[in-house]
Amino acid sequence: AQSVTQLDSQVPVFEEAPVELRCNYSSSVSVYLFWYVQYPNQGLQLLLKYLSGSTLVKGINGFEAEFNKSQTSFHLRKPSVHISDTAEYFCAVRNDYKLSFGAGTTVTVRA
Amino acid sequence: NAGVTQTPKFRVLKTGQSMTLLCAQDMNHEYMYWYRQDPGMGLRLIHYSVGEGTTAKGEVPDGYNVSRLKKQNFLLGLESAAPSQTSVYFCASSYPTAGANVLTFGAGSRLTVL
Repeated sequence: AQSVTQLDSQVPVFEEAPVELRCNYSSSVSVYLFWYVQYPNQGLQLLLKYLSGSTLVKGINGFEAEFNKSQTSFHLRKPSVHISDTAEYFCAVRNDYKLSFGAGTTVTVRA
Repeated sequence: NAGVTQTPKFRVLKTGQSMTLLCAQDMNHEYMYWYRQDPGMGLRLIHYSVGEGTTAKGEVPDGYNVSRLKKQNFLLGLESAAPSQTSVYFCASSYPTAGANVLTFGAGSRLTVL
């Protein structure tokens, strides 16, 4: 089964600064990758997904991710964060009918 | 349009007690899932279902049972709760589209086992 590894458990960042959250996936012929966000005391919601085609994927709330096959990575970026981006972020990979999630990265945005 | 609704939202159990978590979706999704979320471990799949009347084990099925008698409902049962089952439980559902398993999640059910 495919898996993902999130390389950072916590990322503190100042408001209006850029942020990058790192995700590596296990090698496979084809892979479908996702980033989900969980705001405090809520369920998860989809930020963006990569299925095929362009390696730069744009999502909601100004986030984007780049699929890099040679480095087996799918890093999430935002050029300028807001306080409201404080949340936990999960990278996920499709396995048959299911999604397997990484351990999560907690982003704390400070003024 | 409610999406995915989980009940109850909070529950405290004593060791050995039983309970059932209910998940209901109104999007006519074929697939449904139960995950548990623990600090530092992300979400781990407990059981899932690819259609009414079918269920399958995920990564961490021990101590749990599930049923999908109706397409819109997916029940998660704990027959004899243990402190290790203290967690936040999330239900999710999706369409069976090739590749794009975009899951819709419920708000979660926080369970504490004393």
